[in-house]
Amino acid sequence: AQSVAQPEDQVNVAEGNPLTVKCTYSVSGNPYLFWYVQYPNRGLQFLLKYITGDNLVKGSYGFEAEFNKSQTSFHLKKPSALVSDSALYFCAVRDRYSGAGSYQLTFGKGTKLSVIP
Amino acid sequence: NAGVMQNPRHLVRRRGQEARLRCSPMKGHSHVYWYRQLPEEGLKFMVYLQKENIIDESGMPKERFSAEFPKEGPSILRIQQVVRGDSAAYFCASSSGDEETQYFGPGTRLLVL
Repeated sequence: AQSVAQPEDQVNVAEGNPLTVKCTYSVSGNPYLFWYVQYPNRGLQFLLKYITGDNLVKGSYGFEAEFNKSQTSFHLKKPSALVSDSALYFCAVRDRYSGAGSYQLTFGKGTKLSVIP
Repeated sequence: NAGVMQNPRHLVRRRGQEARLRCSPMKGHSHVYWYRQLPEEGLKFMVYLQKENIIDESGMPKERFSAEFPKEGPSILRIQQVVRGDSAAYFCASSSGDEETQYFGPGTRLLVL
């Protein structure tokens, strides 16, 4: 079974400071990893994904994430936070080679990011 | 290119009524997924469909819930005889293949009174 943990329910950061939103995962095979962002009363918006290759993945709006296989982590980062980045962030995983059901995304519970002006 | 569309965005039903949620995938996408988000929780997979086929419904409750994706028209998630515990946000996602990125719609927020 696959699982995702987002250990922080909420992250507060001052505008202009770097931000990190943490995610660890568990899959039986090799992972596909995703970050999505959800604004209030909106759907999930795709930010970035890791499939294979470089461990540092760059995505939309200046976000990036680093895949660390030994620590089974995929933390989301941004060098300089904006107030408009305030939202709910979800990490998701799927198992690349598990056959039936491998397309199912398993989500963490989400981390609320608040960027303070 | 229009994104994934869902309607209605908000739906209020009384206990025992039926709820019908619609999802139109992105243009060119033939794979549809439904997820449910309960308050304070992440999204949970419900069902995966391709045109006229249910591929995996392992996340769907055994009773009262059904889904379809006909040859023409949107995918429909139907909940019969709704109960208060069905109150949640229901999200549809689509992709161009089962190994491709899933893109999500804005969701339907169902409230059962």
